[in-house]
Amino acid sequence: ELKVEQNPLFLSMQEGKNYTIYCNYSTTSDRLYWYRQDPGKSLESLFVLLSNGAVKQEGRLMASLDTKARLSTLHITAAVHDLSATYFCAVDSLYSGGGADGLTFGKGTHLIIQP
Amino acid sequence: KAGVTQTPRYLIKTRGQQVTLSCSPISGHRSVSWYQQTPGQGLQFLFEYFSETQRNKGNFPGRFSGRQFSNSRSEMNVSTLELGDSALYLCASSRTPAEQYFGPGTRLTVT
Repeated sequence: ELKVEQNPLFLSMQEGKNYTIYCNYSTTSDRLYWYRQDPGKSLESLFVLLSNGAVKQEGRLMASLDTKARLSTLHITAAVHDLSATYFCAVDSLYSGGGADGLTFGKGTHLIIQP
Repeated sequence: KAGVTQTPRYLIKTRGQQVTLSCSPISGHRSVSWYQQTPGQGLQFLFEYFSETQRNKGNFPGRFSGRQFSNSRSEMNVSTLELGDSALYLCASSRTPAEQYFGPGTRLTVT
């Protein structure tokens, strides 16, 4: 069974600081997603990482994937209040060899950025 | 380009009733997936439909069912509602496996 673990689950940080959210998964997969969710809202796609060593950046967010370590990171640079949200990573089971069971999500990282 | 739409957005039902939720995918997207989000269990995959056929199913009881129509619109049905079915139900549409666009969700409250 594919398991996806995120840490930390809760993060409070100040504007201007850097931080990293970690996403570990239990079986091989070459497809990892990062989503953002604002309170009461749906999921907004941030990044899709499709291969080992993939790195994508958008504004103050940068995501990377290490398939050998089964680890993805979401790095926040010089955080601003508008980045406050819950961030989810998800792994596509179809590409983990475990059968086609849709996306398996981590529990999410609730990020609060204080002025 | 219109996004994924879900109706209704909010719903209140009582235990034992049944409910039908609707999802219209982005034009040209033939795959629709459904997810349940609860505070306790997080986001869990329900099922996926492609060209009117259920391709994958998550670990949910048979009370949860779905279907897809020829225009790719999808419905999910939950029968004999339980309190634990209260959740945000999200659908996602995709044209290729690498993309999943989520709709705004239907918030179901079971009393």
